Amino acid sequence: QKEVEQNSGPLSVPEGAIASLNCTYSDRGSQSFFWYRQYSGKSPELIMFIYSNGDKEDGRFTAQLNKASQYVSLLIRDSQPSDSATYLCAVTGGGSNYKLTFGKGTLLTVNP
Amino acid sequence: EAGVTQFPSHSVIEKGQTVTLRCDPISGHDNLYWYRRVMGKEIKFLLHFVKESKQDESGMPNNRFLAERTGGTYSTLKVQPAELEDSGVYFCASSQDLDPFGYTFGSGTRLTVV
Repeated sequence: QKEVEQNSGPLSVPEGAIASLNCTYSDRGSQSFFWYRQYSGKSPELIMFIYSNGDKEDGRFTAQLNKASQYVSLLIRDSQPSDSATYLCAVTGGGSNYKLTFGKGTLLTVNP
Repeated sequence: EAGVTQFPSHSVIEKGQTVTLRCDPISGHDNLYWYRRVMGKEIKFLLHFVKESKQDESGMPNNRFLAERTGGTYSTLKVQPAELEDSGVYFCASSQDLDPFGYTFGSGTRLTVV
């Protein structure tokens, strides 16, 4: 069983729509959850992190965490073409607060 | 503030050759991490330095990989001899504190072994 799974994509949405990215994880001891954005050929860039159950909003981004279901998601409202990138879900836990376990990523394309 | 710098950005080598990747972390960052993404797979942790000491090398795939961090500054990752399955993108990251929130990743080195 894969440790972190993301919807495989690619995901395509029209400009202005809501993009929904999903992630499940297998380790119930996972403590921190991160969403990174990676443009082609560039470094992963942290855009959201969440530690507690519920929603966390930052501008157009909302991260949602449900530890009972071992599920974390990222919603991007009013999607823009500049949001087109690969989104990586990552978690820490199991005794380590520094070692990230990543999913494979979901490629998002926002069409003008 | 300069970011994490990695070079070369691309390297193509033949199977059996040696390659050395370099990472320059953000100045003052004691923590340095190496990750790798093999094609079609997820990014995976390789190892973690605190200053010049290896704290966790549990992700190193085998003894063909040797990582060093001279004087707690830049780090090198040597692959000797390289195999086809070593192809991928090698990322370096650094942080001041021991918390992924503070991670800054480099752009990576794309290694192709032919």
